[in-house]
Amino acid sequence: SQKIEQNSEALNIQEGKTATLTCNYTNYSPAYLQWYRQDPGRGPVFLLLIRENEKEKRKERLKVTFDTTLKQSLFHITASQPADSATYLCALGTGFQKLVFGTGTRLLVSP
Amino acid sequence: DAGVIQSPRHEVTEMGQEVTLRCKPISGHDYLFWYRQTMMRGLELLIYFNNNVPIDDSGMPEDRFSAKMPNASFSTLKIQPSEPRDSAVYFCASSLQRGSGETQYFGPGTRLLVL
Repeated sequence: SQKIEQNSEALNIQEGKTATLTCNYTNYSPAYLQWYRQDPGRGPVFLLLIRENEKEKRKERLKVTFDTTLKQSLFHITASQPADSATYLCALGTGFQKLVFGTGTRLLVSP
Repeated sequence: DAGVIQSPRHEVTEMGQEVTLRCKPISGHDYLFWYRQTMMRGLELLIYFNNNVPIDDSGMPEDRFSAKMPNASFSTLKIQPSEPRDSAVYFCASSLQRGSGETQYFGPGTRLLVL
């Protein structure tokens, strides 16, 4: 069966450290993958897009990798700040504009 | 731009009642998506439209759910009759049609509680 797995447990880290979030999938062949941030009571907000022919993408303190062999994406936030505390969702691009979302990982950054 | 607008923001209704959720996408966007989010199942795509035409409704859970997009600036998601298991946050999102993987812009959501 098709599955997208993100750590269901919250990730707690200290301010200034690098947070690494994992997205694993099975029985999908996504052409691209996106990461979104969601704050409580709000809709998801787009962060990064990476396509199947790209290994790595960066944007400011954010970095995402995409390994189609391992069927895994890693999302890194360097020099994390308390303001980075949120739930992060990975989304597989299964069609031209169609996304399938993971259940998200909650990140807590302590001062 | 005001972003994607959804109404109402909160809805409490009784089982069996009809519920209508409304969405105004970002002006000029070609795609409109309806999602449902619950703790158990996460964020699920229900249906999406391209240029007001429904493209994929495979995520619509049952015939009790219907969605329309009568014009480029308005869409509705209707549940009739509503059931307690429909309680969730319903999001509308929109995007452009420049290429695959376009950013989806989400509205603030409608929190629905069916008693």
